[in-house]
Amino acid sequence: GQQVMQIPQYQHVQEGEDFTTYCNSSTTLSNIQWYKQRPGGHPVFLIQLVKSGEVKKQKRLTFQFGEAKKNSSLHITATQTTDVGTYFCAGTPGGGTSYGKLTFGQGTILTVHP
Amino acid sequence: ETGVTQSPTHLIKTRGQQVTLRCSSQSGHNTVSWYQQALGQGPQFIFQYYREEENGRGNFPPRFSGLQFPNYSSELNVNALELDDSALYLCASSFGRGYEQYFGPGTRLTVT
Repeated sequence: GQQVMQIPQYQHVQEGEDFTTYCNSSTTLSNIQWYKQRPGGHPVFLIQLVKSGEVKKQKRLTFQFGEAKKNSSLHITATQTTDVGTYFCAGTPGGGTSYGKLTFGQGTILTVHP
Repeated sequence: ETGVTQSPTHLIKTRGQQVTLRCSSQSGHNTVSWYQQALGQGPQFIFQYYREEENGRGNFPPRFSGLQFPNYSSELNVNALELDDSALYLCASSFGRGYEQYFGPGTRLTVT
């Protein structure tokens, strides 16, 4: 079945440093979504990417979807302590037959030291 | 905060028992998905309901079953509980299949 892998598993940064997490799927995706989960909280939707090679920005966050629609990345510029949490990518399989099946990666835990 | 609510917040059950978890979707959403999240892991897709029909299922045994009601709220039922079923169970609603999902706060299930 489809697998979604994320690296790194953990990332510790000093406040102000940049952060990047990478997501790779074993199969072509229809779309990819990114979520953030704070400690003790629930996943919160950040963004959805649909098109091959798509790049979207939200303030200090930049999201990319690979040309082959099998990988994605999230880059945070100049991290702040409010960025602390686990970042998950989640992909929907391509082919149009599995709209609902969202496969999550194992997440990247980001800690930011002030 | 999303408009997705889940009950109960916490639950302790004994191995072999049955449990029902409930989810109220956000207003205007017709799709509900259920996930199991073990500690330190990403959410694992259990199944999705779209307009009261099961729309997809993950790799979970048949003792995990669900239901969606005409008002689009949903239930997750787990029979013959096992110790490994201890996890956070998350419900997420969306405007439709394939759209962004809005998660509820989850139900923490402990099986002893």
